[in-house]
Amino acid sequence: EIVMTQSPATLSVSPGEGATLFCRASQSISTNLAWYQQKPGQVPRLLIYATSTRATGTPARFSGSGSGTEFTLTISSLQSEDFAFYHCQQYNNWPSVTFGGGTKVEIK
Amino acid sequence: QVQLQESGPGLVKPSETLSLTCTVSRGSVRSVSFYWGWIRQAPGKGLEWIGSIYYTGNTSYTSSLKSRVSMSVDTSENQFFLSLSSMTAADTAVYYCARGGVSTGWFYNWGQGILVTVSS
Repeated sequence: EIVMTQSPATLSVSPGEGATLFCRASQSISTNLAWYQQKPGQVPRLLIYATSTRATGTPARFSGSGSGTEFTLTISSLQSEDFAFYHCQQYNNWPSVTFGGGTKVEIK
Repeated sequence: QVQLQESGPGLVKPSETLSLTCTVSRGSVRSVSFYWGWIRQAPGKGLEWIGSIYYTGNTSYTSSLKSRVSMSVDTSENQFFLSLSSMTAADTAVYYCARGGVSTGWFYNWGQGILVTVSS
């Protein structure tokens, strides 16, 4: 089973600053990676799929990159609504999938 | 827009079996285009995929829970189900049902989730 590792566990950022989140796969997953955003008390929302394609409604300040085993989610200038929990998910062996442990982006 | 709704007990005793139902509306579990999944989230933790099922009954489970998990689908009632046996406190979590595309791999539609607490 593919293990997904996200880092850092917590990222403290000031509003307006940029943030970079990392996701590493234990083996190559090509570009079969999705990112979700989850605000406190809410359901996860698909943010990005296929590593870099923004889902409907995802602002352009969110961008994804990577391939193989190393992936990043970049938020160019954090807005108040971006402080949330972010999860990566690989689907290289769909319908078998795995999630990373998540990164909490908090206000510095 | 498809809607998913989890239902089941909020409290389960240790060693008991959890049974959850996901009712699908404004969409069909019989669709050839989608897989139906269960994902859980322990308090303060990340998401954990439990397994997915196709309308034909074809299933895929995470290896860590495979010995305790069973999923099924009822196309006539437009529902799918999760059964998780030998529950312990470590299984306390919010359980989500979700829909993923057969040709995609991500979960676009989620239920609101149901908190299941394991306690005597």
